Amino acid sequence: SQTIHQWPATLVQPVGSPLSLECTVEGTSNPNLYWYRQAAGRGLQLLFYSVGIGQISSEVPQNLSASRPQDRQFILSSKKLLLSDSGFYLCAWRRTSGTREQYFGPGTRLTVT
Amino acid sequence: AQSVTQPDIHITVSEGASLELRCNYSYGATPYLFWYVQSPGQGLQLLLKYFSGDTLVQGIKGFEAEFKRSQSSFNLRKPSVHWSDAAEYFCAVTSGTYKYIFGTGTRLKVLA
Repeated sequence: SQTIHQWPATLVQPVGSPLSLECTVEGTSNPNLYWYRQAAGRGLQLLFYSVGIGQISSEVPQNLSASRPQDRQFILSSKKLLLSDSGFYLCAWRRTSGTREQYFGPGTRLTVT
Repeated sequence: AQSVTQPDIHITVSEGASLELRCNYSYGATPYLFWYVQSPGQGLQLLLKYFSGDTLVQGIKGFEAEFKRSQSSFNLRKPSVHWSDAAEYFCAVTSGTYKYIFGTGTRLKVLA
């Protein structure tokens, strides 16, 4: 069976500090990978998605970036965090063909102080 | 524009009562539809999905949803709610491309 991991689970960082959130998927190959941000009382905002190693598409221009160094690893980064980067970050994967459901990781709660 | 509307921000029901959560979508292409549930501080768990075929789909935890094309709706139902169903519920749609549109969620409270 497939599983998806995210770490850290929670993170408190000062404004201007760097960020690295990691997501890994097990039990599948060549998944499509996604980073979302969820703000309280709002839906999910798509940040990045990837269809393969080194292939990243950005949905929202901002100070965040994403990388996919390995098939099942997806990293969200920032060089300098802003207060507005606080939120709940979710990684998700789906198969490249067939059914279209996404499967979500447990999330990372980021607080920028 | 593509959109998903969940008109009820909060719903409160008594344990054992029936539940219906509404979802309306606006999508040009044939939609793939989903319902997810999220407990506080956790990720989203897939409850059920609709791609084609029978418009009444069954999911996990006793949930079902009905796709009504004429009404552009995909409402989630459960005949008897349990206290453990208290959570936030999200409806989502995709045309099969990379992009998914999520509703803003309905928070369910269950009274003992």
